[in-house]
Parts: sequence; structure tokens; C-alpha cells
Amino acid sequence: DSGVTQTPKHLITATGQRVTLRCSPRSGDLSVYWYQQSLDQGLQFLIQYYNGEERAKGNILERFSAQQFPDLHSELNLSSLELGDSALYFCASSPGGANYEQYFGPGTRLTVT
Amino acid sequence: GENVEQHPSTLSVQEGDSAVIKCTYSDSASNYFPWYKQELGKGPQLIIDIRSNVGEKKDQRIAVTLNKTAKHFSLHITETQPEDSAVYFCAASKGTGFQKLVFGTGTRLLVSP
Repeated sequence: DSGVTQTPKHLITATGQRVTLRCSPRSGDLSVYWYQQSLDQGLQFLIQYYNGEERAKGNILERFSAQQFPDLHSELNLSSLELGDSALYFCASSPGGANYEQYFGPGTRLTVT
Repeated sequence: GENVEQHPSTLSVQEGDSAVIKCTYSDSASNYFPWYKQELGKGPQLIIDIRSNVGEKKDQRIAVTLNKTAKHFSLHITETQPEDSAVYFCAASKGTGFQKLVFGTGTRLLVSP
């Protein structure tokens, strides 16, 4: 157990809908990363927050957005869902600064039908 | 941007044998190289990492080597056990702890009893 929690574990929804994925980082970690894992694209970085502020952006679609709240939990919002958005979404946390290690949560499996 | 290549894509060994997985990276500014183990239905688990100021690091049956000149790094698992069976990912990042991880495509390791 990495100490990172993600909810829900599974999510099934229809095209065009909007969903919210939630992540709670390890105690004391200030940095949260979101990654998408699909069969054809592998593990891809989406976005990073550090202590409430966006710090880095990767291959994140405009239909996707995220935020980190004062209690350091983070949410990833996916809207206008398409079939191709079906994937595993992982959150990772890190202390930040000179501590590089990222610890991953168990993931949310999103299925868009 | 950074590109990480990983091979082999699959690796089958007998219990007790050694396994070696190799990765190459493209960005000479990368300075942090973690390895993750992902079991079915779980999130990636950090198993070992190395920074660019170190050439080799060992942790019991697992070791990682880094050749900065050639821009490649390798994971070595000795005395493999069936519970080592999983998908292994290498990754690279640069800069401070605010940087994203760029992952290799993964190696499926199967250890047969």
C-alpha cells in the first residue's frame, strides 16, 4: 500500500458525460501527478500540482481539467467523454522539491460506452 | 521532448535465473531514473531508482545500473521468483521534483517455477 488513495475504483459512463476522479496523496506529500494508462499509449503524464498550484502540464486534453484543494487532495475532471478516453487513470504523490520519488495510487478504471 | 525506449517487451525465465531489462533515454538533461513494478489490477510500485550522480545501486535481489555517456540504464533481478512476475516500467525525468516521469513501454516478466 503506497498511501495514495483514489476513488472510485471503477467508473462506467456514456459518451458525452462528465466524471470526476478523486485522489488523496500520502500524508505530508505536497505534489500530485495525474497519469493516464491505455493499451496503445502506455503511461502518459497529464498534469502536476504542487501545494495547490499547477506546475507542469503534459498531454492533457482541453476537455480534461484538474485542481488541488487546500487539504491537498486533487480531482481530475473529464468532460464530453469519448470512447477513446477509456483507460486507467493514476494519481501519484511526491514530497516535492529535492525528493523525486513518486508513489502511485491503485488507479481508477474508466470505461466509456 | 524526452523519449524512453525499453526492451524486451516480454521476458520469460526459469525460477532462480537472472533477468535484465534495458532502457535508453534521449534527453541528456534527465537525471532521475526510477523503475516500477505493476501487478495485474494494481498501480505501479516504485521498486528502485537511481540518480545521475550514481552508476549503480543495489537493493537485495534488485540492482540498477546507469551509463550516462550511452544514455542507458538497466534493471537486474537475480534469483528470480514466481512473485517477480509482473510488468516492469522504466522512467526518466529531469530537473527538480517538479518534473514529469516519461515512461518506457513496459516489459512483461514471466518467471516459471
